[in-house]
Amino acid sequence: AQSVTQLDSQVPVFEEAPVELRCNYSSSVSVYLFWYVQYPNQGLQLLLKYLSGSTLVKGINGFEAEFNKSQTSFHLRKPSVHISDTAEYFCALTGGFKTIFGAGTRLFVKA
Amino acid sequence: GAVVSQHPSRVICKSGTSVKIECRSLDFQATTMFWYRQFPKQSLMLMATSNEGSKATYEQGVEKDKFLINHASLTLSTLTVTSAHPEDSSFYICSARAPSGGVNEQFFGPGTRLTVL
Repeated sequence: AQSVTQLDSQVPVFEEAPVELRCNYSSSVSVYLFWYVQYPNQGLQLLLKYLSGSTLVKGINGFEAEFNKSQTSFHLRKPSVHISDTAEYFCALTGGFKTIFGAGTRLFVKA
Repeated sequence: GAVVSQHPSRVICKSGTSVKIECRSLDFQATTMFWYRQFPKQSLMLMATSNEGSKATYEQGVEKDKFLINHASLTLSTLTVTSAHPEDSSFYICSARAPSGGVNEQFFGPGTRLTVL
């Protein structure tokens, strides 16, 4: 069975501070990992993805994530957040045919 | 990149009526599309996998007679919520698979907000 666990349901942070959104996964097969962002009443936008190769993946809007196979983690980071980064963030994996999503982390950036 | 559209973006209907939601892949052919449902402040839950030219595969607990899925062409899948009830009110999102970087990635539509009165 495969699963994705996002350890924090909400992460409040001040503007210009760094942030890390945590994601752990479980799978018996090789997986591809993704982070998506969702703004209110909108669909999902791909932030970044890990397919293979370098474990440090850079995405849009200054986000990056590091794939750690030994810790089965794929944490999302940004060194300095903006008010506009306030949104819901979903970690997801594809191992086989389906994509499984984590429960989501609400990032709330305060002025 | 691959673009997926959904129509309508919002729909309000009366209880007992049926509502059809369209999902289109605009610049690629998608043999497989997925339908998700998202309740407020929750994650996406896969409802069904739609394969072009064949019957959809529904996830456990999803009523196939209530949520009718048709994938008649390589660029269009439709979800019809039949005899809608207020508890069917939700955000419905579709996605389509397309080759990208050697991997079949999913590209998501913008979602459809269904409100059943």
